[in-house]
Amino acid sequence: QKEVEQNSGPLSVPEGAIASLNCTYSDRGSQSFFWYRQYSGKSPELIMSIYSNGDKEDGRFTAQLNKASQYVSLLIRDSQPSDSATYLCAVNFLAFSGAGAQKLVFGQGTRLTINP
Amino acid sequence: SQTIHQWPATLVQPVGSPLSLECTVEGTSNPNLYWYRQAAGRGLQLLFYSVGIGQISSEVPQNLSASRPQDRQFILSSKKLLLSDSGFYLCAWINRRERAYEQYFGPGTRLTVT
Repeated sequence: QKEVEQNSGPLSVPEGAIASLNCTYSDRGSQSFFWYRQYSGKSPELIMSIYSNGDKEDGRFTAQLNKASQYVSLLIRDSQPSDSATYLCAVNFLAFSGAGAQKLVFGQGTRLTINP
Repeated sequence: SQTIHQWPATLVQPVGSPLSLECTVEGTSNPNLYWYRQAAGRGLQLLFYSVGIGQISSEVPQNLSASRPQDRQFILSSKKLLLSDSGFYLCAWINRRERAYEQYFGPGTRLTVT
């Protein structure tokens, strides 16, 4: 069974600090990894995608991927109250996707609260 | 740029009534299309996906069905709603020509079955 695991939280971080969100996945053959942000009552918004081992930075966000450990993380620097949301990790399992299907498996999400 | 629309935004329906939710994508062609449901406080559950007109794959057996009558239109239906069908319904798309396979969601339809 293809699984994506996240700590459900809530994770509470003071404003200005670094928020660290973690995700593990079950299939070593996975190719693509994504982080989504979902505000309460809204649809998920793609904020980061990563495909190779190492770090990928975009503004205050850094995604980290370690395929050997089957681990992907998201760091948010200089956390702001507007970063308070649920963060969803998603993985494209190669074996899970049929020809052209490209299905994602989502974790349950980590609820992040930034305290002013 | 690409845009995805869903309607209605909110819907309150009695048990046993029919359902039709619509999703359309603009600014791309031949996308993969997906229907998800997110129950209150729960994760995303993939319901259906489609790789082309008339091609529907079902992930979870239930009283829902999906159709893709046009390249950029995806419809979710039910003949008789159950209380358990309440939730936040999300349509998503992937540009099949992009190797990145990034998936983008529409604004969603919040369905309450009473």
